[in-house]
Amino acid sequence: NAGVTQTPKFRILKIGQSMTLQCTQDMNHNYMYWYRQDPGMGLKLIYYSVGAGITDKGEVPNGYNVSRSTTEDFPLRLELAAPSQTSVYFCASTSRLAGSSYEQYFGPGTRLTVT
Amino acid sequence: QKEVEQDPGPLSVPEGAIVSLNCTYSNSAFQYFMWYRQYSRKGPELLMYTYSSGNKEDGRFTAQVDKSSKYISLFIRDSQPSDSATYLCAHRDDKIIFGKGTRLHILP
Repeated sequence: NAGVTQTPKFRILKIGQSMTLQCTQDMNHNYMYWYRQDPGMGLKLIYYSVGAGITDKGEVPNGYNVSRSTTEDFPLRLELAAPSQTSVYFCASTSRLAGSSYEQYFGPGTRLTVT
Repeated sequence: QKEVEQDPGPLSVPEGAIVSLNCTYSNSAFQYFMWYRQYSRKGPELLMYTYSSGNKEDGRFTAQVDKSSKYISLFIRDSQPSDSATYLCAHRDDKIIFGKGTRLHILP
């Protein structure tokens, strides 16, 4: 299994541009999450999904959108990039089915700079 | 009030020392707690998972939950330079909420 994969690894955006951060997991996990991590600020939840077709807001959803059309993929969309969105973005997934460990698996992260 | 609070450090200790990392939480209904370790420029990885009160041990690591004081702790025995990382505490219900993380440096 590849686990959780994220693309791209790095990206520089100009203010006002848009982009999609890709996240894919091959573990058949039903729950998926997007976090951002700013220096010294820990992980903040942006959006999460409990299954295909279902998404919900986390702590800091403004400026982002998500969709979950398949179990495997959970892309994060930035429509009008702002410098405040400069951060490292982590995607994660977990199985919440009975008998699972509930361990959350993280991708390697996408480093985004908006200038 | 933040749900999980954690001192960001940095915390520097000599190799071989016992390390104590701590968090407080706000809601007495929380029952599932985790400790994650994050190396520089990597995603977090789960270290320990505990439910309700008490201790859980795994090798050199011990996780402790004190529900009366709403305090969770991670102890690392015989600390090694490879333990140098950021340690994040978290609690779980429908989603996982993380503390800010404590940066730990083990000095050789």
